[in-house]
Order: sequence, then C-alpha cells, then structure tokens
Amino acid sequence: DVKVTQSSRYLVKRTGEKVFLECVQDMDHENMFWYRQDPGLGLRLIYFSYDVKMKEKGDIPEGYSVSREKKERFSLILESASTNQTSMYLCASRPTTGNYNSPLHFGNGTRLTVT
Amino acid sequence: AQKVTQAQTEISVVEKEDVTLDCVYETRDTTYYLFWYKQPPSGELVFLIRRNSFDEQNEISGRYSWNFQKSTSSFNFTITASQVVDSAVYFCALSGYTGANSKLTFGKGITLSVRP
Repeated sequence: DVKVTQSSRYLVKRTGEKVFLECVQDMDHENMFWYRQDPGLGLRLIYFSYDVKMKEKGDIPEGYSVSREKKERFSLILESASTNQTSMYLCASRPTTGNYNSPLHFGNGTRLTVT
Repeated sequence: AQKVTQAQTEISVVEKEDVTLDCVYETRDTTYYLFWYKQPPSGELVFLIRRNSFDEQNEISGRYSWNFQKSTSSFNFTITASQVVDSAVYFCALSGYTGANSKLTFGKGITLSVRP
C-alpha cells in the first residue's frame, strides 16, 4: 500500500515565522504535489514536482516555495507565515511511468494555524 | 483553462435514500481524465474512480455508480441506498492527458451527510 506521510497533523505558528511542511512517500513516485484546502474553495494547487529538483508553480504559489532534493521527500516552505495561510495542507504523490494520469495518493493533511 | 463545477455544496439525506452528486467540467483538451475522490472526517482523500474521455460507458461498483456524458460535460456520481458511512466530502477532479496539463483541477467539493 502506498503511504504518504505528512510530518505534522496540527501546527501552530506565529506571523512572520519560517514554516516547513514535510511530506514523504514510500513508493518511489515521480510526481509530488502540495494543495491547500479551504472551506468553500476546495483544493487548490500550490506547487508540484515532476521529479527530483524539478518544480512547477501551481495556481496559488505566492508566499510559498518548495524543495525536492530527494525523490521521496517534498517540502513546502512558508518564508514568512501570515494569517491568511491558515489552512489545511495536503500532500499527494503519483507514479508517472507510462501514464501521467494515475490517481493521486494523499497524506492525512497538516492543519496549520498562523496566529 | 480547466474548470470543475460542483454546484451542490451540501446535501443531507436519510439513510437508504439514493443521492446523486453532480459534476460539470470545462476543458479544451480532446483527451482528458475525470476523477472522484472521497474525504471522510479523518481527512485523507480516497480515490474512487478514474474515467478517460474516450470511455463513455457508465460504471457501477456496488452501491456506487457513475454517469459520464460528454455531450453535457458531466460526470455525475450516484450512491444507492446511502449509509451513514457515506458521510464525507466528495470531490470531482479533471486533468489533461500529458505533461503540465496532467495536474489535477478539483471542484469545490460536496458535503454529504447521511442521517440514520
């Protein structure tokens, strides 16, 4: 079974702090994604990565950056957290060998509160 | 640009009722994929089904069925004889076929509550 693990389930940070959200998958998947989920807005893509050291902006990248130094790990970085970044963050991965449209496998999410 | 519209935001039914969740999509791609995901209260999104644009056959899996109609750009999901365990947020999603177009675009989700 594919496992996508997000390091924290709940996180509380102060405005202006640098925040790292970590995601690890154990199935050697090429693609990894970061979404945020807000009530009434659904899931919105922040960044995604096709493979190691590759990254692409999603629909709402402002205020975020990412790092993918190893295939299994995809980190989301909030350089200077703000209250409007309070949200549920979801990481996902999928294989692409021969098929760009394999289903995404999601982690349990990190609920981040910025005060 | 791709777009997924789930016009229903919240649906409440009594157990054993049938319920249909609507999904309408927009895309300029001729080849694309459609998905449904379920998000139970635990939070983890669970994949339910994937359908490609060439396959308009309806699909049934137990109490779940999906109706794909290209002519109306819809991919609706029906739960027959609903159960309390079906209570969740359901997302419809769309992706193109290759490369950057293959990133998933999600609808806003439908919160389904099934009352005993």
